[in-house]
Amino acid sequence: AQSVTQLDSHVSVSEGTPVLLRCNYSSSYSPSLFWYVQHPNKGLQLLLKYTSAATLVKGINGFEAEFKKSETSFHLTKPSAHMSDAAEYFCVVSGRRDYKLSFGAGTTVTVRA
Amino acid sequence: GAVVSQHPSWVICKSGTSVKIECRSLDFQATTMFWYRQFPKQSLMLMATSNEGSKATYEQGVEKDKFLINHASLTLSTLTVTSAHPEDSSFYICSASGGNGINEQFFGPGTRLTVL
Repeated sequence: AQSVTQLDSHVSVSEGTPVLLRCNYSSSYSPSLFWYVQHPNKGLQLLLKYTSAATLVKGINGFEAEFKKSETSFHLTKPSAHMSDAAEYFCVVSGRRDYKLSFGAGTTVTVRA
Repeated sequence: GAVVSQHPSWVICKSGTSVKIECRSLDFQATTMFWYRQFPKQSLMLMATSNEGSKATYEQGVEKDKFLINHASLTLSTLTVTSAHPEDSSFYICSASGGNGINEQFFGPGTRLTVL
């Protein structure tokens, strides 16, 4: 079985400052990991994914995440937050056989002007 | 590519009626579709997995007779909420996978169901 834990339920940053969203995973095998973003009353948009290739993964809108097996982490970062980054972010791990996704509880990001 | 649509985007119905939600993969064949439920300010909870042409597999605690899922073609899955009650009010999101060995799901925009 696999699971993810998002360590922060809410992150508040000022526009133009870095964003860090923390995620730890648990998996009995080499996992596939994803970060999704959800704006209010909208579906989910894939930001980036890790599937056992490069450990530093670059995604859309300037986001990137680093897979650290020794720390079982997959933290999401962005060097400079924009107002449009205000949303809910989900860290997700996938099962290898049935492709079921296990979602973290989510992190709400607010961006202050 | 990999676009998934849902219809309707929102629906309001009276208690006791049934509501059907459609999920379509517009530009690929979806061998597997997933249905999720999301309560306000909460994460997504997987309700069921459906494979084209076979019965859906429901997660523990999800009533299969209440949430009827049909995956009759490679581009369409439907979720019918039968005899809806106010506690069924939620945001329902579907996703689709092409089943080509890539474990990525493509999500629809969601359907907001409100039962009065």
